[in-house]
Amino acid sequence: DTVMTQSPDSLAVSLGERATINCKASQSVLYSPSNMNYLAWYQQKPGQPPKLLIYWASTRESGVPDRFSGSGSGTDFTLTIGNLQTEDVAVYYCQQYFTIPHSFGQGTKLEIK
Amino acid sequence: EEQLVQSGAELKKPGESLNISCKGFGYNFRYNWIGWVRQMPGRGLEWMGLIYPDDSDARYSPSFQGQVTISADQSTNTAYLHWSSLRASDTGVYYCAKHHRGPQMSDWFDLWGQGTPVTVSS
Repeated sequence: DTVMTQSPDSLAVSLGERATINCKASQSVLYSPSNMNYLAWYQQKPGQPPKLLIYWASTRESGVPDRFSGSGSGTDFTLTIGNLQTEDVAVYYCQQYFTIPHSFGQGTKLEIK
Repeated sequence: EEQLVQSGAELKKPGESLNISCKGFGYNFRYNWIGWVRQMPGRGLEWMGLIYPDDSDARYSPSFQGQVTISADQSTNTAYLHWSSLRASDTGVYYCAKHHRGPQMSDWFDLWGQGTPVTVSS
């Protein structure tokens, strides 16, 4: 199984500042023939189901603000949230969909400082 | 509008059986992989497995293989998650979610159900 490890487990960032969440895969999720990374990011607010933010490691889902950006390749990935807003308070998860089981990271809780 | 609508909350005793459901609306249910994800109280997301309703090809996480059964009924656009004998450790919220690119097994979840809370307690 591919183990996904996020860091930090939690972070507090001031309004208007930038938040950075890291995700490391125990095996590469890069499919070399297409040069695509099989990595998604989700946001989950309390009492709600997760919401897709990013897929292919860096492609924003339709309707997601451009404050959210994804980067990385192979085994190391980053979700960056710029100009932090109150509505961004949530838990964020990465997920690899390269090999079964399509494992999630343990989650990173983002709060306002 | 695409939607996944899940069945309601369940309160069960250890050893009892349970089926929860997930009905798809507004998209071609038959040709999209649909998965199940567990979230235990206060914990993160755990990928349980997938099913392709067209041929009922099901794939499981080793952690859940043999513990649950995933099935689908094309005629009613409904996927199911079944336990034959519940344990207290099965308590949690269970989400269904669909893949974006239909027949592609290696894909992300673009639509989620609202979640079904399951409580197992004597």
